[in-house]
Amino acid sequence: AQKVTQAQTEISVVEKEDVTLDCVYETRDTTYYLFWYKQPPSGELVFLIRRNSFDEQNEISGRYSWNFQKSTSSFNFTITASQVVDSAVYFCALSSGSARQLTFGSGTQLTVLP
Amino acid sequence: SQTIHQWPATLVQPVGSPLSLECTVEGTSNPNLYWYRQAAGRGLQLLFYSVGIGQISSEVPQNLSASRPQDRQFILSSKKLLLSDSGFYLCAWSLGQGQNTEAFFGQGTRLTVV
Repeated sequence: AQKVTQAQTEISVVEKEDVTLDCVYETRDTTYYLFWYKQPPSGELVFLIRRNSFDEQNEISGRYSWNFQKSTSSFNFTITASQVVDSAVYFCALSSGSARQLTFGSGTQLTVLP
Repeated sequence: SQTIHQWPATLVQPVGSPLSLECTVEGTSNPNLYWYRQAAGRGLQLLFYSVGIGQISSEVPQNLSASRPQDRQFILSSKKLLLSDSGFYLCAWSLGQGQNTEAFFGQGTRLTVV
């Protein structure tokens, strides 16, 4: 069985602050994939990143960065210099083994105040 | 490029009435298709997934059903809606051939059962 835990239900920051969203996963498979999605108020889930279990290199894309650590089964997401438009619900997800579907965490509501 | 269309965007239905939500994907062949439900509180629950025409896997027993009459068409149905069926329904697709790739989501249908 696979599981994703996002312990932070809600986070509120002031614009330009950095913020890190935590994600901890569980799986017995050695090959798996991790994902982050953004859900703005409109409702559509927007894909942000995919990471496979063999690639522990951290990734940076503009103001976004991801820290993958197999030793702690974590895949954390940091937004640098946050903006009001970053306000959304962010989901971490896992896909492993023969399961072709994503298992989602419960999401973190990020509010960036002006 | 690939696109996913889901309709209607919003729907208000009385208890006991039937339901049909449709989702189509363009620009790809033999995708994996998914129906998720997001109830109040944000959690995403996988309802059905399909790896091919006529192949449907159900994750949660309930009064909903899914069908895949064509390669890129996925339909969510119910013969008699319950109040508990209210929620935000999301269709998604991912690449087939057994790959664990990211899923791309439609814009969702907000269903209110009254």
